[in-house]
Amino acid sequence: GAGVSQSPSNKVTEKGKDVELRCDPISGHTALYWYRQSLGQGLEFLIYFQGNSAPDKSGLPSDRFSAERTGGSVSTLTIQRTQQEDSAVYLCASSRGGDTGELFFGEGSRLTVL
Amino acid sequence: GDSVTQMEGPVTLSEEAFLTINCTYTATGYPSLFWYVQYPGEGLQLLLKATKADDKGSNKGFEATYRKETTSFHLEKGSVQVSDSAVYFCALIRAGGFKTIFGAGTRLFVKA
Repeated sequence: GAGVSQSPSNKVTEKGKDVELRCDPISGHTALYWYRQSLGQGLEFLIYFQGNSAPDKSGLPSDRFSAERTGGSVSTLTIQRTQQEDSAVYLCASSRGGDTGELFFGEGSRLTVL
Repeated sequence: GDSVTQMEGPVTLSEEAFLTINCTYTATGYPSLFWYVQYPGEGLQLLLKATKADDKGSNKGFEATYRKETTSFHLEKGSVQVSDSAVYFCALIRAGGFKTIFGAGTRLFVKA
């Protein structure tokens, strides 16, 4: 596609429910990143994929968070048993390679946990 | 570990004023440095970058110089416009690394 696409753009859920956030990166981009942006905070690194592998999962806040990437393309970030502190904007970005530093971001998925 | 510190906002300026947003970093080796911008309702996009000491990145009238001696990458613009109102993020990636580290962001408001 022309840009990074994320869905849903907005998600409101009840505490304890599971949510899935989807990212469709720019075609041909091998690297994919998930970040979290909380109100008034900077971007918190969550996970990085090179192809389908995730060499760095160090940013995932807890074992309730998981992510996968299939076919070197679409990625899904899953949050189980959501908590109110999970409320944030989840940003996906892709790049041509893992070390170029130039990231292309989607518009984000805003998650609100009631 | 690597980190980026940028000035807290919000910064409020009148149109045509001079803009400086300070950014300093901590990193081993020689990282690449970036400024990203997030306009209201849009995703982050790269504004400019510099990959080695003394390089100057520039775009849309903005510029920043990679200063190794002061570990800084301050963003400047000589005359801001209302359309420059956005959140600006300073970022770095270590040479050979894959994780881009962002500062907390600085919100800029430009008044007509």
